[in-house]
Amino acid sequence: ETGVTQTPRHLVMGMTNKKSLKCEQHLGHNAMYWYKQSAKKPLELMFVYSLEERVENNSVPSRFSPECPNSSHLFLHLHTLQPEDSALYLCASSRGTGGIYEQYFGPGTRLTVT
Amino acid sequence: AQKITQTQPGMFVQEKEAVTLDCTYDTSDPSYGLFWYKQPSSGEMIFLIYQGSYDQQNATEGRYSLNFQKARKSANLVISASQLGDSAMYFCAMREFSGGYNKLIFGAGTRLAVHP
Repeated sequence: ETGVTQTPRHLVMGMTNKKSLKCEQHLGHNAMYWYKQSAKKPLELMFVYSLEERVENNSVPSRFSPECPNSSHLFLHLHTLQPEDSALYLCASSRGTGGIYEQYFGPGTRLTVT
Repeated sequence: AQKITQTQPGMFVQEKEAVTLDCTYDTSDPSYGLFWYKQPSSGEMIFLIYQGSYDQQNATEGRYSLNFQKARKSANLVISASQLGDSAMYFCAMREFSGGYNKLIFGAGTRLAVHP
């Protein structure tokens, strides 16, 4: 138990659906991250939030829309996804983004787009 | 250019033996940090160990140690006395400062299988 939870753990959605992934951290951290992990590819950083402000959008298509209402919660809103978006989506948090802090990860949401 | 290279897609080791997982990196920044994470089949990435570029000694954390060779730009993870529960994916990552903040760049990973 790392103090970062993600729901749902598994999600199957059609290309026309709209769904949201939720991440919550109980560590008092100020930075939160979304990563995408596809088969046989390195972890890809998608978004970074620091003190609820987005500081990085790593060329992610607009069908992925992040939201960080406070420093403990992070959402990833999904709409009109493509089959190639099927992957494990990992959320992480860290004390901040300015120092060398380890990131603590959640268990991930396994997304399948049909 | 790939910044973190893990050349071993898969490794296996006998239980109770030691194993070394390779990681090489590329950076021109004199200040950097290197991390190792473990990812079991459950999916969660677990932080194992950290080495700073200015640290005088190699990092150790229980059965994990980091063989840091700065001139060779390598940061290999050594797991001593392997256990069945060590079977997992292992990722090397480097801290990169860009865009005003620190982010982690991950390697492709090494799958470790511990045999009884």
